[in-house]
Amino acid sequence: EAEVAQSPRYKITEKSQAVAFWCDPISGHATLYWYRQILGQGPELLVQFQDESVVDDSQLPKDRFSAERLKGVDSTLKIQPAELGDSAMYLCASSPRVGRTYEQYFGPGTRLTVT
Amino acid sequence: AQSVTQPDIHITVSEGASLELRCNYSYGATPYLFWYVQSPGQGLQLLLKYFSGDTLVQGIKGFEAEFKRSQSSFNLRKPSVHWSDAAEYFCAVAFISGGSYIPTFGRGTSLIVHP
Repeated sequence: EAEVAQSPRYKITEKSQAVAFWCDPISGHATLYWYRQILGQGPELLVQFQDESVVDDSQLPKDRFSAERLKGVDSTLKIQPAELGDSAMYLCASSPRVGRTYEQYFGPGTRLTVT
Repeated sequence: AQSVTQPDIHITVSEGASLELRCNYSYGATPYLFWYVQSPGQGLQLLLKYFSGDTLVQGIKGFEAEFKRSQSSFNLRKPSVHWSDAAEYFCAVAFISGGSYIPTFGRGTSLIVHP
């Protein structure tokens, strides 16, 4: 069964350093989401792509976060510089282009610790 | 702005007992409603969804949920809980923007199952 891939699974970085996360959605899925999940809270949508276009990035802290999906397939989320408050789980999800476009398939996440 | 409230942070039940997890939403119209489950250190899995029609919806793993418009609620139920149901449960709402679903998640309810 196809899955959403994310790497790395775990990342420890020092504050003020740059960090990047990668997501490969299920093949053929048009919509890709990046979420931040702080321990004990629900996922917070950071950015949503439809193919290579940004649909919503209203909650993305644009002074330090950036996201791209250049060819409409895989995606990278970057933080520069990282702050202590960025420690969280970063989840990627994707949805199909046709049919059940509302169903999100989640990857295993990247656990970020900023020291 | 839409919001989702899950009033119970933790719920403890005995194996075999019934379960109800509460979810209330705030939105100007009837949103699309979802329940997800998350096992420790994993991504989220869709349990069930409501778009329209029959207000009682069936999902995977024996779960069901009932949409009550008058109460702005979408509570999740299961008649007999198994130890493997112990996990974090998230209610989510979504509205349509530009042909895409923009989701908002609740903070989650942690289910503890006693033998």
